[in-house]
Amino acid sequence: DARVTQTPRHKVTEMGQEVTMRCQPILGHNTVFWYRQTMMQGLELLAYFRNRAPLDDSGMPKDRFSAEMPDATLATLKIQPSEPRDSAVYFCASGPRRGAEAFFGQGTRLTVV
Amino acid sequence: RKEVEQDPGPFNVPEGATVAFNCTYSNSASQSFFWYRQDCRKEPKLLMSVYSSGNEDGRFTAQLNRASQYISLLIRDSKLSDSATYLCVVNAQYNNNDMRFGAGTRLTVKP
Repeated sequence: DARVTQTPRHKVTEMGQEVTMRCQPILGHNTVFWYRQTMMQGLELLAYFRNRAPLDDSGMPKDRFSAEMPDATLATLKIQPSEPRDSAVYFCASGPRRGAEAFFGQGTRLTVV
Repeated sequence: RKEVEQDPGPFNVPEGATVAFNCTYSNSASQSFFWYRQDCRKEPKLLMSVYSSGNEDGRFTAQLNRASQYISLLIRDSKLSDSATYLCVVNAQYNNNDMRFGAGTRLTVKP
């Protein structure tokens, strides 16, 4: 059963530390999304890639967030330095093609203290 | 104005009731539309795509009104297991931006 895999599932870190979240998209999917979900803001699109190329990262705070796809099987989202307001659930999703539905990973629940 | 807007609810309905959710979108060039379901502390999962002619999947019916820029989801004979948050999703397909989610509508089905 193909699925998007995210690691870690939970992360607690101190303010100022670097956080790296990883995502393995479904094999063969060429579109990868990063979302952040909080109670107040709902699901916010942070960045997305097609064929490993970043197409839009306008939703990300550029000074501290970065997203990359080193290869087709790995997407990363980094926060450096982390702040308490970054506490949220971060979801990765992948899709088979432009305009198609996306399939979500189980998320990384980040707490910055 | 948000790109995708939904009534946050909550909708509290008895078992067996029919309930409908609407979602409006701002970009008239939007091409693809979906409804997702999200259970508490879980990831969103695709419920159904929304096609121009409308489509049905068991107790669920989705419709699209391009002229008024809204999509709807109708749930008939609601079950306790339908309790979840329903997210409207619009694929803008402009400026390479994709997959914008509404904030979700919370549904609770009571015995």
